[in-house]
Amino acid sequence: GAGVSQSPRYKVAKRGQDVALRCDPISGHVSLFWYQQALGQGPEFLTYFQNEAQLDKSGLPSDRFFAERPEGSVSTLKIQRTQQEDSAVYLCASSLGPGRGSTEAFFGQGTRLTVV
Amino acid sequence: AQSVTQLDSQVPVFEEAPVELRCNYSSSVSVYLFWYVQYPNQGLQLLLKYLSGSTLVESINGFEAEFNKSQTSFHLRKPSVHISDTAEYFCAVSDTDSWGKLQFGAGTQVVVTP
Repeated sequence: GAGVSQSPRYKVAKRGQDVALRCDPISGHVSLFWYQQALGQGPEFLTYFQNEAQLDKSGLPSDRFFAERPEGSVSTLKIQRTQQEDSAVYLCASSLGPGRGSTEAFFGQGTRLTVV
Repeated sequence: AQSVTQLDSQVPVFEEAPVELRCNYSSSVSVYLFWYVQYPNQGLQLLLKYLSGSTLVESINGFEAEFNKSQTSFHLRKPSVHISDTAEYFCAVSDTDSWGKLQFGAGTQVVVTP
């Protein structure tokens, strides 16, 4: 497809379980972002990749959160030992990248994670 | 550090009436400003943006927003809403040198009724 694709759309995890959330950005987009959106809140920045380099991970809430983009395309957000407070919608966004004439980030539909 | 405040969590409005969604931000550096819309069961979509130049920016579906530097505001307006404008609207800001990293407001839910 032409847009940002995220999978799965919904994930229910038992507390303590590890989860992996996938993001397929728009082809050719250099920049990739992960955001966390809690119920009733705006999205909160988690981390940023430029190609395969993770340039900013200041928003990751704990060391249980880990993100990678090994080949500069698909990205995975992994959450270890999930807790109830991790329940949220996880959004991925991509953009052409700095200096390439676009300031627009395109968002996927998100993965809704529910930890029970 | 930046912050974004959307003063209204929910705005009910009748069809064909005007609507204004308020957004204020704080930042110590130059910023870019955005409004995103999220329709039910869909992802965030960019509605309009202010980067530089004219302080009044418009979208293709009749929304407009005005950047007011002195009041640090970027309010969104539409003179006549449609049922299809029912959605959640997010104001966002980014530094001009880290433009992709967005700070979002909490969102305003617009509910348009006949």
